Amino acid sequence: DVVMTQSPLSLAVTLGQPASISCRSSQSLVYSDGNNYLHWFQQRPGQSPRRLLYMVSKRDSGVPDRFSGSGSGTDFTLKISRVEAEDVGIYYCMQGTHWPPDTFGQGTKLEIK
Amino acid sequence: QVQLTQSGPEVKKPGASVKVSCKASGYTFTDHGVTWVRQAPGQGLEWVGWTTAYNDNIKYSQKLQGRVTMTTDTSTSTAYMELRSLRSDDTAVYYCTRGGSPSEGYSYDYWGQGTLVTVSS
Repeated sequence: DVVMTQSPLSLAVTLGQPASISCRSSQSLVYSDGNNYLHWFQQRPGQSPRRLLYMVSKRDSGVPDRFSGSGSGTDFTLKISRVEAEDVGIYYCMQGTHWPPDTFGQGTKLEIK
Repeated sequence: QVQLTQSGPEVKKPGASVKVSCKASGYTFTDHGVTWVRQAPGQGLEWVGWTTAYNDNIKYSQKLQGRVTMTTDTSTSTAYMELRSLRSDDTAVYYCTRGGSPSEGYSYDYWGQGTLVTVSS
């Protein structure tokens, strides 16, 4: 199975400041069609996860444009340009290129400093 | 609006079985696959398995193979996940999710509210 490694595992950010989460895969996530099947999910406290970004960088409906994703191959990044209080939660990357199974990163806990 | 409504919490003894349901509404059930994901207390997300809505192609986690069965009922737009021979480390919140479109990489665009399954003697 592909191992997904996120860093950091936790970060505390001042409101209005940027945040960045790295996600690395043990194998390239470039599929034969040229796409990277790498997705990001947010889990707010006490809630089900929700998808934020799919296919590396495409934002879901309703996701603020302060969230952005980038990367290809084995290195990916989720960036929040200006952290807001509602961004508190755990962020997971997930790969679907080498499926089954889909595999998730360990999660990165974002807190407000 | 799309909703995935799961059955309520369960408490089971080791060795027992549990069956969790996930009723879909707000979309054509047969247009999307269903993936089950679980989350042990305080832990991350773990893929349990996937099925087409017609239940004609199913993939299970190797870790759970032999103990898990996923089924669907297209007449009621409901997916089911049964786990047998329960152990304490099966204690988790079990989520059903809807597979997105091909352009979304089939990733999970909607999630159920989760069903807590507690395995305890």
